[in-house]
Amino acid sequence: QVQLVESGGGVVQPGRSLRLSCAASGITFSSYGMHWVRQVPGKGLEWVAVISYDGSNEYYADSVKGRFTISRDNSKNTLYLQMNSLRGDDTAVYYCAGTSLGYPDYYFRYGVDVWGQGTTVTVSS
Amino acid sequence: DIQLTQSPSSLSASVGDRVTITCRASQSLSIYLNWYQQKPGKAPNLLIYAESNLQSGVPSRFSGSGSGTDFTLTISSLQPEDFATYYCQQTYSIPLTFGGGTKVEIK
Repeated sequence: QVQLVESGGGVVQPGRSLRLSCAASGITFSSYGMHWVRQVPGKGLEWVAVISYDGSNEYYADSVKGRFTISRDNSKNTLYLQMNSLRGDDTAVYYCAGTSLGYPDYYFRYGVDVWGQGTTVTVSS
Repeated sequence: DIQLTQSPSSLSASVGDRVTITCRASQSLSIYLNWYQQKPGKAPNLLIYAESNLQSGVPSRFSGSGSGTDFTLTISSLQPEDFATYYCQQTYSIPLTFGGGTKVEIK
């Protein structure tokens, strides 16, 4: 069945780094535009980043630009989020999500229809 | 950045009620407005994409409409499983943004 499984979350001190991974199964991963979306518990959704199906294009929210890097390895069906210079306001549940709607050119236009269960990142000293 | 304002932020309704949630954008989005449902402790679920397209597997009681800056999600007859929080999202321009959410509670 279709599945996205995030890993790599945990507790980290401010200023340190963390890398999240998202393993995909049951989908043709190389046809999916992939996103990271985060949510502070009890609060709303915040889009973080998107990467095109082939990794040739990536875009970021202003709040993470220059600190976070989204990447993918289609040979391993895996999405990554490298998070550097972490701050307290990066504390959230991070969801990996993707879609093949709009493949190939409109890979972020039509919403996201496959989601992981989320992994929690806590930035605290 | 494009701002999305959802209203109301919460509502109470009964099973069988017709429910309407609105999302107003700070600039025109063409058709690039999507709707999600989220239940506590779960990931969001895509309901409607590109203003009015029903995602596969979503019940037909959900519908979407809009006109550039003003969009509406309608649930024609509220069911017990529909009590949740609903979010709109614009995918017209980067950075993508979400509305603040509408919590639908049982009256």
